[in-house]
Amino acid sequence: AQTVTQSQPEMSVQEAETVTLSCTYDTSENNYYLFWYKQPPSRQMILVIRQEAYKQQNATENRFSVNFQKAAKSFSLKISDSQLGDTAMYFCAFMKPPASGSRLTFGEGTQLTVNP
Amino acid sequence: DTEVTQTPKHLVMGMTNKKSLKCEQHMGHRAMYWYKQKAKKPPELMFVYSYEKLSINESVPSRFSPECPNSSLLNLHLHALQPEDSALYLCASSHPGGDTPKGGYTFGSGTRLTVV
Repeated sequence: AQTVTQSQPEMSVQEAETVTLSCTYDTSENNYYLFWYKQPPSRQMILVIRQEAYKQQNATENRFSVNFQKAAKSFSLKISDSQLGDTAMYFCAFMKPPASGSRLTFGEGTQLTVNP
Repeated sequence: DTEVTQTPKHLVMGMTNKKSLKCEQHMGHRAMYWYKQKAKKPPELMFVYSYEKLSINESVPSRFSPECPNSSLLNLHLHALQPEDSALYLCASSHPGGDTPKGGYTFGSGTRLTVV
């Protein structure tokens, strides 16, 4: 079974600064997807970024980028130029495709607060 | 349409009531999911439907009964719930391999259920 670990229950950052959220995972699979989701107080689970394990290049999405270290099974999220709207719970998640209705396994989450 | 719509947004029910949660998507996704989320915790998988057939049941108590009447609609029927079943219930959809063009699932905004 796959496990996902987020070792930082809470983090805070000043507006406009950069913050990095950590995630490690354990799997024996070679092909898989990794995700970062954010869940603001509105409850909507929103996809932030996706990384396919077979791609060596780290994914980027505007102010969000990842540092994917496959051998170390590490998948950290860097948020640049933090904004107040980035305040949310951030979940790292693992998926093993392809499968019929593939399971998404979440870490425990990191509550990020962006301070003005 | 790129949304998963869940109704109702809030539900309060007694332990002897019968109610249903509804989830709808029109993105052509053939996998749909129910997750349960307690406060400050990650979502926990309950059920997966793939091509309108139940493919995963995570040993959920029988007081929760899922139904997938067609490829766009997913219901969760509730009966004789306990106060500990109070939680946020999230619906999600994806292509059968677990992926979507943007990656991962598309989530609804959830139903906040309170059992009294």
